[in-house]
Amino acid sequence: AQSVAQPEDQVNVAEGNPLTVKCTYSVSGNPYLFWYVQYPNRGLQFLLKYITGDNLVKGSYGFEAEFNKSQTSFHLKKPSALVSDSALYFCAVRDIYSGAGSYQLTFGKGTKLSVIP
Amino acid sequence: EPEVTQTPSHQVTQMGQEVILRCVPISNHLYFYWYRQILGQKVEFLVSFYNNEISEKSEIFDDQFSVERPDGSNFTLKIRSTKLEDSAMYFCASSESSGASYEQYFGPGTRLTVT
Repeated sequence: AQSVAQPEDQVNVAEGNPLTVKCTYSVSGNPYLFWYVQYPNRGLQFLLKYITGDNLVKGSYGFEAEFNKSQTSFHLKKPSALVSDSALYFCAVRDIYSGAGSYQLTFGKGTKLSVIP
Repeated sequence: EPEVTQTPSHQVTQMGQEVILRCVPISNHLYFYWYRQILGQKVEFLVSFYNNEISEKSEIFDDQFSVERPDGSNFTLKIRSTKLEDSAMYFCASSESSGASYEQYFGPGTRLTVT
């Protein structure tokens, strides 16, 4: 079975500082990894994904994430945080070997990011 | 930019009543999903739907739940006899393809409160 862990319920960072939101995963095969962001009263918005290739993936709004197979991690990063980045961030995984026709994403519990002016 | 939309944004119902949650997926998408998030817990997969059939469902998706695509645009989730534990945020999602690399696009959610 696949699973995702986001070890921090909340991350606080000062505006302009780099931010990291942590995610680790567990799958039986090779993972497809995703980050989503949720702003208040909005749906989950896709930020970026890792499928294969370069371990550093760049996405929307200046975010990037680094896939580390040995540490089974996929941490979300941004070099300089903005107040508008304050939101709830979800990591999700899909196991490409979870079976033909398996479509479901497995999510972490989310990390609340607060960027302090 | 195309979006998944959901109605209503908030539904309050009494235990035992039937509810229908509605979703309009992105127009060229072929795969549809429902997820739910109980307050303070993880987002959980309920069901996926393609070509007018359920493709996959989780243990949560029991006989009280059903999905339907009644026309070319809407995708609905019906709960026949709601229980208190059905109170949650329900998210609809769609994707262009079923391939594992395709991201799913989510709607804003319907908050269901069962009293």
